Order: sequence, then C-alpha cells, then structure tokens
Amino acid sequence: KNEVEQSPQNLTAQEGEFITINCSYSVGISALHWLQQHPGGGIVSLFMLSSGKKKHGRLIATINIQEKHSSLHITASHPRDSAVYICAVSPNYGGATNKLIFGTGTLLAVQP
Amino acid sequence: DVKVTQSSRYLVKRTGEKVFLECVQDMDHENMFWYRQDPGLGLRLIYFSYDVKMKEKGDIPEGYSVSREKKERFSLILESASTNQTSMYLCASSLEYSAVHFGDGTRLSIL
Repeated sequence: KNEVEQSPQNLTAQEGEFITINCSYSVGISALHWLQQHPGGGIVSLFMLSSGKKKHGRLIATINIQEKHSSLHITASHPRDSAVYICAVSPNYGGATNKLIFGTGTLLAVQP
Repeated sequence: DVKVTQSSRYLVKRTGEKVFLECVQDMDHENMFWYRQDPGLGLRLIYFSYDVKMKEKGDIPEGYSVSREKKERFSLILESASTNQTSMYLCASSLEYSAVHFGDGTRLSIL
C-alpha cells in the first residue's frame, strides 16, 4: 500500500464546476504539499500546509491531521486548470531534509 | 521568487556516454534533490543533498552519481548512460520545513 494515496486518478469536469481532489496518507507528517504540473511542464508548488485551510485565488486546500486526509478544491474551474495535481507529504522522521513522499497524481481535464 | 534552473530542457545522448545534468538555485537553499518522473511510476528520488559536499542516496541511485561542490549547484551524473535511463529528470530545492521549488525538468533520451 502506498503511503500517500490520491483519488480520483483521473477527473474530467465541465468549465465552471467545483472540483475536489482527495489525498490520504499513512505516515506522521510535518507538512503536506499540493503541487501542479501542466502537460510537458515543470512542477509548481501550490500549497504547503500543516493544519487548517489555505486559499489562493480559486484554489483551496484543507487538511485534517487527525484523519490524515487533505483535499484540494478548485472553484469555478477553467480549462487552464487542466493539469496533474500531486499530493506530497514531508514525513516527520528522517530529519528535516524535506524528502517528500509523493502520491501518484490526479489528471484533471476541464472541458469548455 | 525562487528560481531553480536546469541546464537543458531536452537532451539526446547515446548509450554508454557519460551525461551531466546541471541544476542551479538562487535562494541559498540547503536541500537539493534529483528526481526522475516516469509514466505510471510518478516521481522517484535519485539523490539528495543537505549541504555542500553532503549527499545521500534516494530510492533509485543505481547508475547515477551526484556532485555538490557549491551550495547553489547540484549535478546529476549518469556514469554510462543506458536506454532505461530515458526519462524526465527534475531538480528541486528547499529550506527545511518549507515549500519545495522545482526546475522545469530535462527530458533525456538515451539512444
């Protein structure tokens, strides 16, 4: 079993829809990261959070430490949101080197 | 803004060649990482470094080595390139307990 599980693996939405991507993890963490990768592109850090909720524009990330679960929400989705969204955690063992454990990613396609 | 710069976006090499992938970051980060990304396998850590001249193996170090002579530069070396090393290679850097910043990636093809 992977230490970081994402769902769904693939998601197709219509423009304007509210989107939720889920991430569950099984290790103790110091932080959780949401990353975005457009086709053929590099990876961009969207959020790093260790508790509660963060918002940036149309993106919202939440985390429940007790349940070891995080969600990434996209409000009023747009075709430019089409990308792979990756959940990753910084485990709280092995020192503070920020060696991330990655989920396998969610491929999001937003259709006009 | 943090900038992580990888020397090449696309690279084509021949089997048996020694290949150097360079990565430079401009924010004085202690930690630097090399990952490879393959379809269906996600991101896998090859090597990381937490200080100058310090390095540790990641999950898939076989066939690779690294060099960190200066804090801002972390090089990945394929000692004798093989076709199974065709992949997307991503460099990243971070401070402790902070966001990780990635380069744009190098798509390496070994023929």
